[in-house]
Amino acid sequence: RKEVEQDPGPFNVPEGATVAFNCTYSNSASQSFFWYRQDCRKEPKLLMSVYSSGNEDGRFTAQLNRASQYISLLIRDSKLSDSATYLCVVNMRTGGFKTIFGAGTRLFVKA
Amino acid sequence: GAGVSQSPSNKVTEKGKDVELRCDPISGHTALYWYRQSLGQGLEFLIYFQGNSAPDKSGLPSDRFSAERTGGSVSTLTIQRTQQEDSAVYLCASSFSVTSGRGGSYEQYFGPGTRLTVT
Repeated sequence: RKEVEQDPGPFNVPEGATVAFNCTYSNSASQSFFWYRQDCRKEPKLLMSVYSSGNEDGRFTAQLNRASQYISLLIRDSKLSDSATYLCVVNMRTGGFKTIFGAGTRLFVKA
Repeated sequence: GAGVSQSPSNKVTEKGKDVELRCDPISGHTALYWYRQSLGQGLEFLIYFQGNSAPDKSGLPSDRFSAERTGGSVSTLTIQRTQQEDSAVYLCASSFSVTSGRGGSYEQYFGPGTRLTVT
C-alpha cells in the first residue's frame, strides 16, 4: 500500500461545478498536510496548507480527518483555469523528517 | 522576493557523462529538498537538507547520485555516469524549518526544475 494515495482521475467537470478530491495516508505519525497544483510541464505550486479545523481560501476548502487518515480538497464554482493536477503532500517525523507527495489527481474543467 | 532558482533549465548529456544541477533556495529558508519527476509520473523524493545537519539521503536511487549544500544555501545535485533512466525533471524546493517558529513551516516552494535528457 502506498503511503499517500490519490484517485488519479481524470475528473472531467463543466464550468461552475463543484468537485472534491480525497487523499488517504497510511502513517499516523503524519504531522502536516498540503495541497499543491501542478500545471502541465510546470513545477508544483502550493495551493493551501490543511489545518485540523479545516480551512477555506476563496473557492477552495481543505479538510483533515485524522481519525480516518484522509485529507480532502473541495473546489466550488470550477473555472477553466482550475484544470491541473492536484497533489496532496504529507509530512511526517518518524525518526527523521519525511515528505511524501501523492501521485496527483487530474482535473479537466470544460466550457 | 526572489523564488527558488535552478540551473540549467535544460541539460542534454551523453550516457556515461557526469552532470551537475544547481539550486538556489529562497533567502532565509533553511530546508532544501531535491525531487525527480519522470514524464507523467509523480514526484520522487531524493534528498533533504536541514540547516547544518547531515542530509537525509534515503531517497537517492543509487550511489551515482550525490548532493551537497555549501554554506547552508546553494545546493548541487551531481549524477555520475548518467544512464538513460536518469532522464527526468529534477526539481528543487525550499522551506522554513519547523523549528524556526514561523508560520507556514514546511510549506515547500519549488524552482522551475532542470529537464535532464540522457542520450
